[in-house]
Amino acid sequence: IHLTQSPAFLSASVGDRVTITCRASQDITGHLAWYQQKLGEAPKLLISAASTLQSGVPTRFSGGGSGAELTLTISTLQPEDFATYYCQQLKNYPYTFGQGTKLEI
Amino acid sequence: QLQLQESGPRLVKPSETLSLTCSVSGGSISSNSHYWAWSRQPPGRGLEWIGSIFYRGNDYYDPSLKSRATISVDTSKNQFSLNLTSVTAADTAVYFCARLGTGGVDFWGRGTLVTVSS
Repeated sequence: IHLTQSPAFLSASVGDRVTITCRASQDITGHLAWYQQKLGEAPKLLISAASTLQSGVPTRFSGGGSGAELTLTISTLQPEDFATYYCQQLKNYPYTFGQGTKLEI
Repeated sequence: QLQLQESGPRLVKPSETLSLTCSVSGGSISSNSHYWAWSRQPPGRGLEWIGSIFYRGNDYYDPSLKSRATISVDTSKNQFSLNLTSVTAADTAVYFCARLGTGGVDFWGRGTLVTVSS
């Protein structure tokens, strides 16, 4: 299953609302995870099963969508949110990642 | 708190085998709820899925690696390992070991940079 994230780069400001889209080559309803990765660090799981917020992740992060188009929304950007975000499908092996979206100030 | 730590050579010659081990602490690798996985990230690029294994040995790989990858598990040492044969410069990457749950990868090692060069 191929995943395409858009946009690849996103410039935004503190306080903005942003949405990242992950489009799959087939229906992956519910079988998607979102990760945040900061430079030099391992990825961090933000959302599982398309919309389940992981413990400790701020509620400004939310996942939505269905079928082959899923989204990650950050409602009010904070300075610590500027990072690269990846989606990953867990419907079929291999568990492919999207190519990433770099969120910049 | 679960912790994962990658170890192994940081420099591998072309055509040789890359071997990494992931040591798991703070939890058992013999979990019925999780798989154990390897991913990698070439410098300046995105994440790539290599494969995963259950403690009983069921394993799955990205077919793009064309059977070069093998993941194994040693429950007595609470470790799992990655072997990648016939490496080229394209295999230079940060390699991450991780725990895979039903919803995603919830624990990651810090990653180790492996360079393929003569």
